[in-house]
Amino acid sequence: DVKVTQSSRYLVKRTGEKVFLECVQDMDHENMFWYRQDPGLGLRLIYFSYDVKMKEKGDIPEGYSVSREKKERFSLILESASTNQTSMYLCASSLYLGSMNQPQHFGDGTRLSIL
Amino acid sequence: RKEVEQDPGPFNVPEGATVAFNCTYSNSASQSFFWYRQDCRKEPKLLMSVYSSGNEDGRFTAQLNRASQYISLLIRDSKLSDSATYLCVVPGMDSSYKLIFGSGTRLLVRP
Repeated sequence: DVKVTQSSRYLVKRTGEKVFLECVQDMDHENMFWYRQDPGLGLRLIYFSYDVKMKEKGDIPEGYSVSREKKERFSLILESASTNQTSMYLCASSLYLGSMNQPQHFGDGTRLSIL
Repeated sequence: RKEVEQDPGPFNVPEGATVAFNCTYSNSASQSFFWYRQDCRKEPKLLMSVYSSGNEDGRFTAQLNRASQYISLLIRDSKLSDSATYLCVVPGMDSSYKLIFGSGTRLLVRP
């Protein structure tokens, strides 16, 4: 079974803080993703990475950055946290098999509150 | 047209009923599709992959209609534990890595 582990289930931070969310997968997947999920808005892609040190912006990258120094680890960074970044953050990983998209496997999620 | 569209529901059905959800997609070149299940305040979990005309797993059947660009999920003999939100997922048009998640169809199974 694929295991995607997010560092925290619940996190409370203050406005202006730099926040790090960590994600680790144990299946040697090439692709890793960060989403946020808000009521009524569904899953929105923030950033994804298809290889070590490679990253691409998703649909809502503003206010976020990412880091992928090792294949198994993908970090999401909130440069200066704001209250509108309060959300559920979900990390996912998937295998790369050419043109055939593969399913993504999710971590448990991090509920982040910015006060 | 949105890349993926689902009826948000909720579908409220009695235990034992058969229920079906449809999902339409806009990328005619899509080769792979997925249904995920998401429980309240939990992460999405893969329910079924669809790579050809359809797939069946126990009480769950997914069917793909490429001509009309929709996929369906049929649940037979509904259980209380099937109550959840079901997400339809299709490949993104601008990337072979991305998946586009529908906003989900909520199912409530009552005793």
